[in-house]
Amino acid sequence: EVFLVESGGGSVEPGKSLRLSCTVSGFTFSSYWMHWVRQTPRQGLEWVSRINKDGSSETHADAVKGRFTISRDNAKNTLFLHMTDLTADDTAVYYCARALWPASFFFDHWGQGVPVTVSS
Amino acid sequence: IVLTQSPGTVSVSPGETATLSCRASRRISGDYVAWYQQRAGHAPRLLIYSASIRAPGIPDRFRGAASGTDFILNVTSLEPEDFATYFCQQYGSSPVFGQGAKVDIK
Repeated sequence: EVFLVESGGGSVEPGKSLRLSCTVSGFTFSSYWMHWVRQTPRQGLEWVSRINKDGSSETHADAVKGRFTISRDNAKNTLFLHMTDLTADDTAVYYCARALWPASFFFDHWGQGVPVTVSS
Repeated sequence: IVLTQSPGTVSVSPGETATLSCRASRRISGDYVAWYQQRAGHAPRLLIYSASIRAPGIPDRFRGAASGTDFILNVTSLEPEDFATYFCQQYGSSPVFGQGAKVDIK
């Protein structure tokens, strides 16, 4: 069975950094493109970032470009999202998600989500 | 592309059919539209992709269809676990989600 488990969320002050992790099991992690998606009650679901299978290519939404970095450790079956210069607009529940098709942007498995709150 | 879901809430009795609409602001190439179900407190669950293909393990009471810029999700014979919020998503180069539509018990 496929599992994705996020960790690393919490409360942080504006301008600070935070790193999220997503540890997966039940599938060959290195065979899948992976993504981060966030959700807020006001904005709904918003795609954030993606990374290819070997970690050599990453893509980000305009809202986070230049501030967020996505990476992966295939040996440890773990996906990361390094978030810097955080603002209140980054407050959300963050999900890691697996892309069903390579390079696609739709997701057949999601983690349970981890909350991030940016507030002074 | 903006996706507008309607109605925002639909009230349906168990065993009946819920019809959810998702209208795109312009044509989506390849009908690259997915539908997700999200139960309260849970992550989204993929139901449909490519507008009409059911994801693995999804029962056939979930059916997607497309006509131009309009995408429909029909949920027939509603079960208790189907009362949830549903999102459409276009997954072209700039993925976008609809705002969601809630199916609640009439």
